[in-house]
Amino acid sequence: GNSVTQMEGPVTLSEEAFLTINCTYTATGYPSLFWYVQYPGEGLQLLLKATKADDKGSNKGFEATYRKETTSFHLEKGSVQVSDSAVYFCALSAASGSRLTFGEGTQLTVNP
Amino acid sequence: GAGVSQSPSNKVTEKGKDVELRCDPISGHTALYWYRQRLGQGLEFLIYFQGNSAPDKSGLPSDRFSAERTGESVSTLTIQRTQQEDSAVYLCASSAQPFGYGYTFGSGTRLTVV
Repeated sequence: GNSVTQMEGPVTLSEEAFLTINCTYTATGYPSLFWYVQYPGEGLQLLLKATKADDKGSNKGFEATYRKETTSFHLEKGSVQVSDSAVYFCALSAASGSRLTFGEGTQLTVNP
Repeated sequence: GAGVSQSPSNKVTEKGKDVELRCDPISGHTALYWYRQRLGQGLEFLIYFQGNSAPDKSGLPSDRFSAERTGESVSTLTIQRTQQEDSAVYLCASSAQPFGYGYTFGSGTRLTVV
């Protein structure tokens, strides 16, 4: 079956530090890949997505590249801000399926 | 509406009671999903509705869980004879397409079974 594995959290960084949150997946076919963010007290929001190999999704300074050879979709940001503190979820949608399969989530805390 | 609306936002119930959670999707979204998020864990798929097709119930954890949706309107998730392990945030999402694009999530219902 399909699965998503995220790096374990929590992750604590200082403002302006570089962020990487690792995500690897297992899926048949050619899934679409997503990063969702959940700010405190709010629902999940789509952060970025990539629908085919080598695509790069980007939004709000965050980037992730769909790497089929390593089955990865790592999230990166060059300089984090306090306002980026949230839980980040990696997810996939199989080409033939209709639901999202989520990773466990990674709690990010950015300190001033 | 402008977003996915869920009610109640919080629910505390006694063990053994039945609860009903409501989701009002974005108007025109044909697909509707229910997920469960236990404390400190990822999202667990429960059930998926697409238009008037038979729902995908493969994620429901037991026969105490059921959900209904009429057409492309409101959905209700019912948990009968609640147990403490049912305590979680129940999230609803809707989508204009059935293949995981453009999901919009509600803020969830936090269920606590005491």
